[in-house]
Amino acid sequence: AQSVAQPEDQVNVAEGNPLTVKCTYSVSGNPYLFWYVQYPNRGLQFLLKYITGDNLVKGSYGFEAEFNKSQTSFHLKKPSALVSDSALYFCAVRVRNQAGTALIFGKGTTLSVSS
Amino acid sequence: GAVVSQHPSRVICKSGTSVKIECRSLDFQATTMFWYRQFPKQSLMLMATSNEGSKATYEQGVEKDKFLINHASLTLSTLTVTSAHPEDSSFYICSAGASANTGELFFGEGSRLTVL
Repeated sequence: AQSVAQPEDQVNVAEGNPLTVKCTYSVSGNPYLFWYVQYPNRGLQFLLKYITGDNLVKGSYGFEAEFNKSQTSFHLKKPSALVSDSALYFCAVRVRNQAGTALIFGKGTTLSVSS
Repeated sequence: GAVVSQHPSRVICKSGTSVKIECRSLDFQATTMFWYRQFPKQSLMLMATSNEGSKATYEQGVEKDKFLINHASLTLSTLTVTSAHPEDSSFYICSAGASANTGELFFGEGSRLTVL
């Protein structure tokens, strides 16, 4: 079955420290992978995507993600966390369904950055 | 990025009434729009795929008669929750893709429905 997993419900880091939010996936074929961020009572904002090419993808707000095919992972990273990065982060993968294609999401990881 | 507008952002209704939520792509044409539902502190659950000019494709377990989806134009899709009940209370989010090749989606701000 096609799926995406975020093993951590919450990640806590201190401001200025590096952060990692984990994501693994299971899809057939080449994966199209995405990271989104959600602030309270808001929609999702696109951060970055991996379609093909360089395994290290750079996105918005200083975030980056590394695609690892052998480990079927796409972890989100940032070298130096900010308090304003505190939010809910979703990993997503494109899948094929009866309607064509759609994105399915992991359960989300709450990132809390302390000052 | 592309802008998707959703309205209303919040709605409170009585049990048994119907509620319509609109989703518009403001600066691009969206052949396909997606409707998601999000429960508190949970992930997004895909409800249906809305294709302009044709019937929506619903995911397994989603009642098509309860959640009516219409995609009458390339910039507008609507979700109507019919005969709403308290268990329908949720955060509904629409999205549209500006790029059919990559599958990247742009999301509306969401609509919080509370059924009393």
